[in-house]
Amino acid sequence: AQTVTQSQPEMSVQEAETVTLSCTYDTSESNYYLFWYKQPPSRQMILVIRQEAYKQQNATENRFSVNFQKAAKSFSLKISDSQLGDTAMYFCAFISNAGKSTFGDGTTLTVKP
Amino acid sequence: NAGVMQNPRHLVRRRGQEARLRCSPMKGHSHVYWYRQLPEEGLKFMVYLQKENIIDESGMPKERFSAEFPKEGPSILRIQQVVRGDSAAYFCASSRGTGGENIQYFGAGTRLSVL
Repeated sequence: AQTVTQSQPEMSVQEAETVTLSCTYDTSESNYYLFWYKQPPSRQMILVIRQEAYKQQNATENRFSVNFQKAAKSFSLKISDSQLGDTAMYFCAFISNAGKSTFGDGTTLTVKP
Repeated sequence: NAGVMQNPRHLVRRRGQEARLRCSPMKGHSHVYWYRQLPEEGLKFMVYLQKENIIDESGMPKERFSAEFPKEGPSILRIQQVVRGDSAAYFCASSRGTGGENIQYFGAGTRLSVL
């Protein structure tokens, strides 16, 4: 069984600064996918970024990037130039090649003006 | 292209009644996932279905909960004889497939309140 751990229940960052959210996971599978989703106060789940485990290059989407360390089973999310609209709960997710999904408990990020 | 549609958005039931939550996946998606989010908690996987088949129900409570995804029509999550502890937000997601087509897109959720 897979597990996903987000060790930071809450974090805050000043607007325009950079913040990193941590995620570790455990699996015996060699091929899988990792995701970060955000859930703003509207409660809608929004895809932030996706990483394929067989790709060594870290995924990047505009101000969002990941640091994927496969051997360490670590998948952190870096948000650069934080904006007020980034305030949300962030979930790290593991999805196996067969579609089995495991989400972490989330990190609540507050961006302060 | 409409996104994942869930209805109702809010559902109020009294203890002992049945709750039916519906989810229509995105066009072209044949994989559906149901999750439960208790207040102030994270997202917990419940069940994964493909058309007419349950692929993984390891997160479903053994009693009172069932899910289906018929050949025609939306996926249904059914909760029989609801109790107060069932009060939560229930999210549905859909994907085109697995592997390289496994991006899950989420609906807006159904908030179930049990009185």
